Amino acid sequence: EDKVVQSPLSLVVHEGDTVTLNCSYEVTNFRSLLWYKQEKKAPTFLFMLTSSGIEKKSGRLSSILDKKELSSILNITATQTGDSAIYLCAVVGGFGNEKLTFGTGTRLTIIP
Amino acid sequence: GAGVSQTPSNKVTEKGKYVELRCDPISGHTALYWYRQSLGQGPEFLIYFQGTGAADDSGLPNDRFFAVRPEGSVSTLKIQRTERGDSAVYLCASSRRPGTTEAFFGQGTRLTVV
Repeated sequence: EDKVVQSPLSLVVHEGDTVTLNCSYEVTNFRSLLWYKQEKKAPTFLFMLTSSGIEKKSGRLSSILDKKELSSILNITATQTGDSAIYLCAVVGGFGNEKLTFGTGTRLTIIP
Repeated sequence: GAGVSQTPSNKVTEKGKYVELRCDPISGHTALYWYRQSLGQGPEFLIYFQGTGAADDSGLPNDRFFAVRPEGSVSTLKIQRTERGDSAVYLCASSRRPGTTEAFFGQGTRLTVV
């Protein structure tokens, strides 16, 4: 059974700080790892990482996939209060398998 | 439409009642997914449709749960004889085609069984 573990469970930092969120996984026939931001109900897509795309960056957010360590990190630099959210990591594995297996998420709170 | 639309946004029902939750995916997206999210947990997979057929229903918890997508667009998740443990946010997502796991989520339906 596929498994995703995220750490820390929650994190409180001051505006302007840099944060690193962690995701480790166990999956059969790894295909991709995705990061989502969840502010209210709908998770919003951030990045998808695969064997052919192990590093992604968008503005202050960046993510790296380490296939050897079966893990990924999500970095947010110069944090803003609008970054406060739950950050979810999910993996897809197997052939013909389309379901996402999610971790429990990291709750990030940015203090002004 | 511009995004995945789910209705209702909130539903309160009595234990034992039947409920239907609706999902309208992004136009042109052939893949549709249902997930359930309990408080403090990540979304949990329920069922995946490719077109009209359920390609993977391994996440449905029991036979009280059923989902359909008769015309390959709108989908309805049906829950019979609701129990208090069914209370959760039910999320729907769609993606353009099989193998494109960049799924876009709707706002969800918060189901409360009292």
